[in-house]
Order: sequence, then C-alpha cells, then structure tokens
Amino acid sequence: GENVEQHPSTLSVQEGDSAVIKCTYSDSASNYFPWYKQELGKRPQLIIDIRSNVGEKKDQRIAVTLNKTAKHFSLHITETQPEDSAVYFCAASGGTSYGKLTFGQGTILTVHP
Amino acid sequence: DTGVSQNPRHKITKRGQNVTFRCDPISEHNRLYWYRQTLGQGPEFLTYFQNEAQLEKSRLLSDRFSAERPKGSFSTLEIQRTEQGDSAMYLCASSSSPGGDTEAFFGQGTRLTVV
Repeated sequence: GENVEQHPSTLSVQEGDSAVIKCTYSDSASNYFPWYKQELGKRPQLIIDIRSNVGEKKDQRIAVTLNKTAKHFSLHITETQPEDSAVYFCAASGGTSYGKLTFGQGTILTVHP
Repeated sequence: DTGVSQNPRHKITKRGQNVTFRCDPISEHNRLYWYRQTLGQGPEFLTYFQNEAQLEKSRLLSDRFSAERPKGSFSTLEIQRTEQGDSAMYLCASSSSPGGDTEAFFGQGTRLTVV
C-alpha cells in the first residue's frame, strides 16, 4: 500500500518568513495530493491540492510543487502570519484506492509574531 | 450547516462496553470514509463506502469494528468490547467522484475515551 513520509515534524518561523514542508510517497499510481490544515480541536481542512498532471499550483501565499519522478511534493507558505500556526498534513490517493487518503505524520508549524 | 456532521462529539465509555458513532455526510456526496486519529499522528484510514456498499476495510481494523451506510446516506461506526487502545478521534469524511479523486470534507470528529 501507499506510504507517505512528511518532514519536518515541527517547524518554527518568524512572522513574514517562508515555511516549507516536504512529503514523499511510495505508490507511483497515486495521482492526487492534498494538503490539510488542522487547528487544535478542529477538523482537517483542505488548503490546497495538486494532481499528477500538474507540476505546481499556487493560491495566494500558498503553493504546492510535485515531482512525480522523485515521488515527492512540497508545501510552500510565504509571508507567514501567526494565524498560519497549526498542524499541516500532506496526503496521497489514487490508483485503485477510491479516494482513500494516506496521510503523512504531520508538521506542527509555529509562527512567532 | 451543510458540512459533514458527526455525533456525538465526545464519548467516554468503560472498557468492554460497545459504542456507536454517527456520520451525516454532505448530501450529494456518494463517497464516505472513516478515519482514526491519535494524538500527534495523521488520520489513519479505517473503511470506505461508495453509496451503500462498503468497498474497502483496513487490514488493521479489528473485527470488533463494524460500519454501515444503509441507503447510502448516513453511516454508523460501532466498536464492540472497547479497549483502552481504541481511545482516539474518529473522523468521518465525504467526497464526490465525478471522474477522479476530489476534496474530502471532514467532520468535527468524535473523541472516544475508554477508561
């Protein structure tokens, strides 16, 4: 089955700096890669996703890049703000998995004012 | 609120008791998933429904766990003879499948504590 590894497990930045979180996946059939943000005690919420036919996608301060050959994808947050502080999860799905998501272990992002 | 709804939000039970959780997905979504999340970890897949059919079940899922989705609408997850290791957040998610994987919307979860 699919295996997703996520790094780093914790990330601390100053407000205004950029943050990068990286994930690798094992199943070459995976073709959908969402990123979820989860605040303490709340549900995971999608912040951006990318499909395997696209190498990069951007939405305001958030961008995701995908390298299919190397089987890794990354989340980039620019001009970080304290409200970006949360746990971020990458995930992968595709092939015959019916949209089943395999999640990474999560990254605790702390943005210091 | 037209999002995914889960009940109850919290459940404390004694070891050995049975518990049942309910999930109401977004009405037009045909796919429904159950995940389990423990502290400091990402959600872990438990089972998947396409309409009323349960199409996949995690090999890690004990036979004490059973899920149903009668009529392809709401779903229930039952845990029999609960153990302390079952303590976790149980998340339900739903999505549509117009031709590929799409965004999965999560509910608020049911936090289970087995004492």
